[in-house]
Amino acid sequence: AAGVIQSPRHLIKEKRETATLKCYPIPRHDTVYWYQQGPGQDPQFLISFYEKMQSDKGSIPDRFSAQQFSDYHSELNMSSLELGDSALYFCASSWRGGAGGAYNEQFFGPGTRLTVL
Amino acid sequence: DAKTTQPPSMDCAEGRAANLPCNHSTISGNEYVYWYRQIHSQGPQYIIHGLKNNETNEMASLIITEDRKSSTLILPHATLRDTAVYYCIVRVPGANSKLTFGKGITLSVRP
Repeated sequence: AAGVIQSPRHLIKEKRETATLKCYPIPRHDTVYWYQQGPGQDPQFLISFYEKMQSDKGSIPDRFSAQQFSDYHSELNMSSLELGDSALYFCASSWRGGAGGAYNEQFFGPGTRLTVL
Repeated sequence: DAKTTQPPSMDCAEGRAANLPCNHSTISGNEYVYWYRQIHSQGPQYIIHGLKNNETNEMASLIITEDRKSSTLILPHATLRDTAVYYCIVRVPGANSKLTFGKGITLSVRP
């Protein structure tokens, strides 16, 4: 079965540079979530989108922005990178529609490991 | 979302049942209990969820106490591949509902 695809899998950037992470949800999934997991920490919710509209926002820095496109893929844009942004970034997708859709669970991608030097 | 409390770690022998406890004494009536796990640096994986009745699927069983203040995830025959961090999350379900991960419990399955 198709899974969530994230690219790139690894990314190395210098401080103050920008980075763009991409997420391709499972086909027919309409909701995308982004999570950040720092070294030795638990995943923390950043932001989510449903039908291309932002649906919830967590502890996402103002330097970060994200959007969901018409084909449902999502991109997380990160500017003025700081050392503390080094982390695993996970994207998850879920499907809202249909009977029982409210209970459908989030399926996570393999993550993008961002290293800021 | 209600807060959950889990022991930091536990271990079990391969082939034996692993019983992972979780306390959620402040759970409200419309909140479900969810379990996810994260194998080292991989994306978290959904395991099971329930409201008040015991649930079972191909991965695990979930036992929720009658007062719903605690629950136990049971892996009936643990394997080495079950070594992971297991997160108990209490939340109101919904496709837009984010997951709030706590500390989780690290399960180590020994040969």
